[in-house]
Amino acid sequence: KAGVTQTPRYLIKTRGQQVTLSCSPISGHRSVSWYQQTPGQGLQFLFEYFSETQRNKGNFPGRFSGRQFSNSRSEMNVSTLELGDSALYLCASSFRRAQETQYFGPGTRLLVL
Amino acid sequence: AQKITQTQPGMFVQEKEAVTLDCTYDTSDPSYGLFWYKQPSSGEMIFLIYQGSYDQQNATEGRYSLNFQKARKSANLVISASQLGDSAMYFCAMREGRGNTGFQKLVFGTGTRLLVSP
Repeated sequence: KAGVTQTPRYLIKTRGQQVTLSCSPISGHRSVSWYQQTPGQGLQFLFEYFSETQRNKGNFPGRFSGRQFSNSRSEMNVSTLELGDSALYLCASSFRRAQETQYFGPGTRLLVL
Repeated sequence: AQKITQTQPGMFVQEKEAVTLDCTYDTSDPSYGLFWYKQPSSGEMIFLIYQGSYDQQNATEGRYSLNFQKARKSANLVISASQLGDSAMYFCAMREGRGNTGFQKLVFGTGTRLLVSP
């Protein structure tokens, strides 16, 4: 069974631009969560989607948004990029929501110049 | 308040030796899950082992075992017979809540960098 895939793997943007990252969960998994990893803040939860609905959101500004499609694929969007948005963005999927292990993708490394 | 504490920023071990990575947690929820993930330099978080708060026995997965001491709120990872490929960052994480209303949000510690030498 294929693992979680994320595209693109690497991305360079400039301040003020917007970016869309994509995540395809493991086949059959319906819950997708996003995390941001930076050297200063560590790993922080962004949001979780299940059945095309955002179920939980971390403490991030409204510039960070996401969505989930009927096939469970998810996208996250960051508008008006700031230098501090440079990070590794990790997507994780699980079969259901409750008591489930989350399996992570390889991440998208975003650099904002 | 920090919910997951990993006090060892770095650990050094020789190949074939065992190593313990420390993790303490803080929660008032009686239902929670504890996870360990490995992150090589490539960036992907690799799931290693899981311990539920109601599990009676310590979890084991191959060379990985979790030393779960509920009263002390600790969940240390033990890697037996270290291999060179074990060199990576290791993160302890916790999820609170249960059932379909339980959060899928993982809270991570700051990680421990393990270096295995020949």
